[in-house]
Amino acid sequence: KAGVTQTPRYLIKTRGQQVTLSCSPISGHRSVSWYQQTPGQGLQFLFEYFSETQRNKGNFPGRFSGRQFSNSRSEMNVSTLELGDSALYLCASSATSGSGVEQYFGPGTRLTVT
Amino acid sequence: EDQVTQSPEALRLQEGESSSLNCSYTVSGLRGLFWYRQDPGKGPEFLFTLYSAGEEKEKERLKATLTKKESFLHITAPKPEDSATYLCAVHPVLNFNKFYFGSGTKLNVKP
Repeated sequence: KAGVTQTPRYLIKTRGQQVTLSCSPISGHRSVSWYQQTPGQGLQFLFEYFSETQRNKGNFPGRFSGRQFSNSRSEMNVSTLELGDSALYLCASSATSGSGVEQYFGPGTRLTVT
Repeated sequence: EDQVTQSPEALRLQEGESSSLNCSYTVSGLRGLFWYRQDPGKGPEFLFTLYSAGEEKEKERLKATLTKKESFLHITAPKPEDSATYLCAVHPVLNFNKFYFGSGTKLNVKP
């Protein structure tokens, strides 16, 4: 099976701009989660989507939003970028089987805000 | 509040020198505890999931164990290629797929 893919891998944006990141989960996985990783805060949960519905949301401002499409692909959007939004954004796809929950991460998108 | 603490923050070992990484957690109900390995600039790589106290899982030089309050990742006779950051995450019962991550242990194995 192909793994989780994220595009683009690297992005440089200017303060005030907006950005859209994309994630394609593992085939058959219907849950997609997004995380922000920074050296100071570690991995922080942004939100999770399942069958196009947001089921869970972390403590991030409303500038951070996401959506999921019927094919389980997901996008996240950050509007009015701030310098502090510079981070590695990770997408994870999950599935529940008889042996429990499996969660796998993509390679991430490195966002730099200047 | 659900919380995960990993120790030590950094660990330097000589090749062949075995050691353990600790992950202590507080969670209202544990659905699973996950261990990941992360190399610089890459996404976390799944290693293990543990579900109940007393459970153990092994993969090559790594062995993960779980108690009611903590998990250990034992590294036996490590090699330089084991150098990475090891992340622990808890999956609470009532939170769908919202995982809480620790800050990680950065392992450096010197030849």
